[in-house]
This record gives sequence, C-alpha cells and structure tokens, in this order.
Amino acid sequence: GAGVSQTPSNKVTEKGKYVELRCDPISGHTALYWYRQSLGQGPEFLIYFQGTGAADDSGLPNDRFFAVRPEGSVSTLKIQRTERGDSAVYLCASSLTPEARGYTFGSGTRLTVV
Amino acid sequence: GDSVTQMEGPVTLSEEAFLTINCTYTATGYPSLFWYVQYPGEGLQLLLKATKADDKGSNKGFEATYRKETTSFHLEKGSVQVSDSAVYFCALSDPSQGGSEKLVFGKGTKLTVNP
Repeated sequence: GAGVSQTPSNKVTEKGKYVELRCDPISGHTALYWYRQSLGQGPEFLIYFQGTGAADDSGLPNDRFFAVRPEGSVSTLKIQRTERGDSAVYLCASSLTPEARGYTFGSGTRLTVV
Repeated sequence: GDSVTQMEGPVTLSEEAFLTINCTYTATGYPSLFWYVQYPGEGLQLLLKATKADDKGSNKGFEATYRKETTSFHLEKGSVQVSDSAVYFCALSDPSQGGSEKLVFGKGTKLTVNP
C-alpha cells in the first residue's frame, strides 16, 4: 500500500481482556517497528522485526505483550490481561532497510483500557 | 542508556516569528539525529535528519545542525506559519545499541502559531 496502515484506529477494552493490534507495512519493507506513546510523552520502542523474526524485543514491558510477523509482512501486537496502564497510542513503522533514516510511521491505534 | 532531552512546551508564537526548540542528547555510540513532527490528527513524519557531526539537516524551512561538542541538535525556523502548529519530537538512533536502529525520542514540544 501507499503507507503504513494500522487497525483499528481506536480500541476500547475492559481491564483483563485480550487485544490484538494490526500493522500493515509498506509493501517490500523488511524492517518493522512497534512503539508505544503515552499521553504527553514521546514514543517508546517496543519491538523490531527484520523479516519474520523479532530481532530486538528489549522494549516489551512484560510477558503480557507479544508480537508476531509470520509471513514477513503484516504484524500483530498482542496484549494479554490488559491493564489501565496499557492505555496509549501504539505506533507501527516500517522501512526498506533497518536504518532509521527510512522510517515511515502509521497513524497509530489508540488503546483505552477501562 | 541513551536519552534525549528537549525543551518543555508548550511554545506559542505569532506568525513570522523565529523558532528555536532546544534538543540535547546522551548516547553511548555515535548516533544519528532526527526531528519528527506530528500534525494534529496525523502520524509522525520525519522532518529532517543528520548522521554525522556538523551535518545540517533541513526541510520546509526548518534547520538543525548536529553539534557533537555540545551534544545538541536544536531545531530552528526563521519565520513560522500557522500551518507549522504541531508537536515536534527530537530523536536519536545509536548503532552501538545493536543492529535494530530503534529510535529514542524526547518528550515532544507542542508549538502553536497564532495568526
């Protein structure tokens, strides 16, 4: 596609529920990143995929968070047993190479846990 | 660990005023530096970048120079427009932190330009 697509754009869920957030990167982009942006803060790195594999997951806050990219294109960020502190905008970015200078960000998914 | 500190907002200016948003960084290695902009209701967009000392990044009338000696990358524009109203983020990527080229962001500075 023309840009990085993230769905849904908004998600409201109850505390304790499971959610999945989807990222559709630009076609052909092998590098894919997930970030989390809390209110009034800059984005914080969560996980990086090069192809199908998670090359760096050092930013995932705990084991409730997990992400996959089974075919090297679409990625899904999964959050189990959601907590109110998980409320944030989740951003996805992709690039043709791992170099940050080529990043294109999606518009994000706003997750609200009530 | 690596970090980015940028001036607190919000910043409110009149049209045609001069803009400076300060940004300083700490990094283990030799980072690349970026300014991203987030317009209301839109996603993050790369505004400009610099990859080595004394490089000047520029775009849409904005400029920033990579100053290694002061570990700074201040954003400037000589004459702001109402359409520049947005949140501006300074960021770095540090190749010494592994091969992922992940970005470390500052907290953002909200700019409002009044007509």
